[in-house]
Amino acid sequence: ELKVEQNPLFLSMQEGKNYTIYCNYSTTSDRLYWYRQDPGKSLESLFVLLSNGAVKQEGRLMASLDTKARLSTLHITAAVHDLSATYFCAVDPGVQGAQKLVFGQGTRLTINP
Amino acid sequence: DGGITQSPKYLFRKEGQNVTLSCEQNLNHDAMYWYRQDPGQGLRLIYYSQIVNDFQKGDIAEGYSVSREKKESFPLTVTSAQKNPTAFYLCASSIGRGNNSPLHFGNGTRLTVT
Repeated sequence: ELKVEQNPLFLSMQEGKNYTIYCNYSTTSDRLYWYRQDPGKSLESLFVLLSNGAVKQEGRLMASLDTKARLSTLHITAAVHDLSATYFCAVDPGVQGAQKLVFGQGTRLTINP
Repeated sequence: DGGITQSPKYLFRKEGQNVTLSCEQNLNHDAMYWYRQDPGQGLRLIYYSQIVNDFQKGDIAEGYSVSREKKESFPLTVTSAQKNPTAFYLCASSIGRGNNSPLHFGNGTRLTVT
């Protein structure tokens, strides 16, 4: 059974600082997704990582995937308040062609002025 | 604009009553999904459907039922058999089998059962 673990689960940081969220998963997969969720809202897709060594960047966020280590990272550069949200990684185990994503617990990120 | 519409946004029910949550999409996606989210937790898959008139149980299907009579619609019924139904329910869709594009999510329905 695929398990996905994120750490940290809570992160409070100051504007301007850098930090990394980690996503570990337990079985082989080369399809990983990052989502953002604002309080009480839906999930917004951030990145799709589809191969070992994949790196995607959008603004102050950069995501990478190491399929051999079963690890993805979401790096935040020079954080700003607008990035405060909960971030989820989700892994596709590739079962029978269906996208049965397994989600991590989420990392609640709070960026303080 | 294409998207996924869930209704209602908030739903209150008494224990013992069945309740149906609506999910409609106009993205022409083949696959649709229902997830449950509890406070401070990730999403857990309830049911999914890859094609009209076919659906499969997810990880926590007990106490729930679905139908997929039309491509656009994937309603979820929370039955009285569901032990702890209060949660935030999210519907999603994707292009379908073999595709790697991300799931598109609706805005969710917050169900409270007392």
